[in-house]
Amino acid sequence: QQPVQSPQAVILREGEDAVINCSSSKALYSVHWYRQKHGEAPVFLMILLKGGEQKGHEKISASFNEKKQQSSLYLTASQLSYSGTYFCGTDPTGSGNKLVFGAGTILRVKS
Amino acid sequence: DADVTQTPRNRITKTGKRIMLECSQTKGHDRMYWYRQDPGLGLRLIYYSFDVKDINKGEISDGYSVSRQAQAKFSLSLESAIPNQTALYFCATSDVAGGSASYNEQFFGPGTRLTVL
Repeated sequence: QQPVQSPQAVILREGEDAVINCSSSKALYSVHWYRQKHGEAPVFLMILLKGGEQKGHEKISASFNEKKQQSSLYLTASQLSYSGTYFCGTDPTGSGNKLVFGAGTILRVKS
Repeated sequence: DADVTQTPRNRITKTGKRIMLECSQTKGHDRMYWYRQDPGLGLRLIYYSFDVKDINKGEISDGYSVSRQAQAKFSLSLESAIPNQTALYFCATSDVAGGSASYNEQFFGPGTRLTVL
């Protein structure tokens, strides 16, 4: 039931782009993205809802393919501050409460 | 500032001991959650609560219990701790806007690192 995230880890240089994918075996009502820096709590980035509505971070974009039960997070012109572990949380029930998180994608941005 | 706080931040205990982790929030949110985080497994939901009288099991509730003492306080207990409960525990809160929690972000506390020997 846990969504699968890919890649597991990625290293970028400042200014490069990255895509993080999240795939579920279940139909989804929404997908939630969080970033966790080392030693800190996860912080909200985006929510993507069925029907195309989004809410979240101004400088990060994402997509949600409801039919394929997949979401992708697009990080463009990466900055050092983008480093961290990115988690997708999937919502198969529509309640927004019982999120099932992926194992995470470790992103490291180098100068 | 409105915040989610957790106590203790670190705890080392022995197998069989009873442990309580506490969470307080000043955000005024009705919904509160407890997660555990293990390396390579992401975050897993233990319990969640809509309000003081409404508590629900999450994905991995076995071996845990919770208490919602007030809107602002949500405690997690391990009645008899075992080594595989060694993990990082997070409390989180969320609001409900537009009648649906699907629209709302969760705010996480700083975490409690628990080690069971």
